[in-house]
Amino acid sequence: NAGVMQNPRHLVRRRGQEARLRCSPMKGHSHVYWYRQLPEEGLKFMVYLQKENIIDESGMPKERFSAEFPKEGPSILRIQQVVRGDSAAYFCASSDSGSGYEQYFGPGTRLTVT
Amino acid sequence: KNQVEQSPQSLIILEGKNCTLQCNYTVSPFSNLRWYKQDTGRGPVSLTIMTFSENTKSNGRYTATLDADTKQSSLHITASQLSDSASYICVVQLGNMLTFGGGTRLMVKP
Repeated sequence: NAGVMQNPRHLVRRRGQEARLRCSPMKGHSHVYWYRQLPEEGLKFMVYLQKENIIDESGMPKERFSAEFPKEGPSILRIQQVVRGDSAAYFCASSDSGSGYEQYFGPGTRLTVT
Repeated sequence: KNQVEQSPQSLIILEGKNCTLQCNYTVSPFSNLRWYKQDTGRGPVSLTIMTFSENTKSNGRYTATLDADTKQSSLHITASQLSDSASYICVVQLGNMLTFGGGTRLMVKP
């Protein structure tokens, strides 16, 4: 049973470009969470999605960031017009139910904005 | 203000020694408190999970304690190994929401 998969593992973008980060949850998991870890800081919650629905996006910046989890395919975190401050590690986690169930983390995508 | 504070920020110990990492939290109420291990360049992996009514939980050489009165938790690592070098993160969960501490970076030297 494969764990949470994220790709790419490393992504380099120039300022102003778009970044698309993909997350495939563990088999059977229908809940996906995105977190951001800035250099030398702890993980911060961004968004929580179920299939085709955004449940909680309270940690997501209001502009340039969006997330989706379509009926088929991976969850996508999209960052438009990236800036240097977006450079961070972005982790995806999945669980097989919502409240209280363990979240399993992927290896992360390290985004570098030049 | 971060609601989960960890200390020390970093720690160096010799292989075979024991160590204790601290976590103070203000998140209340909460469903459970977890300790994660995060190797460099990897995602966090759960070590222990405790509900608010549990006082201690062990997983091999890792033992976590929880004092709900003082809102403190600790992670004790016995007989440390080189592979224990990592960041250890205290996480308080309420519903779907995880609040992460900043982590303690542990380095085990031979």
